[in-house]
Amino acid sequence: QKEVEQDPGPLSVPEGAIVSLNCTYSNSAFQYFMWYRQYSRKGPELLMYTYSSGNKEDGRFTAQVDKSSKYISLFIRDSQPSDSATYLCAMNTGFQKLVFGTGTRLLVSP
Amino acid sequence: GAVVSQHPSWVICKSGTSVKIECRSLDFQATTMFWYRQFPKQSLMLMATSNEGSKATYEQGVEKDKFLINHASLTLSTLTVTSAHPEDSSFYICSALGSNQPQHFGDGTRLSIL
Repeated sequence: QKEVEQDPGPLSVPEGAIVSLNCTYSNSAFQYFMWYRQYSRKGPELLMYTYSSGNKEDGRFTAQVDKSSKYISLFIRDSQPSDSATYLCAMNTGFQKLVFGTGTRLLVSP
Repeated sequence: GAVVSQHPSWVICKSGTSVKIECRSLDFQATTMFWYRQFPKQSLMLMATSNEGSKATYEQGVEKDKFLINHASLTLSTLTVTSAHPEDSSFYICSALGSNQPQHFGDGTRLSIL
């Protein structure tokens, strides 16, 4: 069993839809949770960074962490074609090394 | 926001050549830098962790003599792929870690060995 599980997709939605991306994990020692967006042939770009359970909002993006269920989510409101990319969840125990999910490919059609 | 610059973005060279990739943190000091390799449609695979002024720590299965890492300053780390062969062709990405910050990534280097 992988430490971090993420559905690879692709996830196809129409423009304007609310997108829900999720990851589950098995290591209860994980404390820091991140979401990265990666466009084709580019490096990952940090979108959200959370520490505690609960919600964190930044513009159209909301990150949610449920440590009791070992489940994290990223919600994208009013999705745009420019949001089409691969979304990677990542987490660590605080000792620097990140553990990544496989990434979910999102396609937002006009 | 934190910016990490990686150079070159794309390199094509002949088999047997050594290739150097640079990773710079532009607006913060990075005590730790990481080097990843990514195959098409796959996630990032950590190759090594580089701490300024000390030897890099390599992940299991990564050849130290093949992938030389130097982290000579708080803003620069280099990865040298020595005697590169076609199987070394891949997308290499660095990231940098500053104090109280998550990792920020460079834009990657596409390496093609003919």
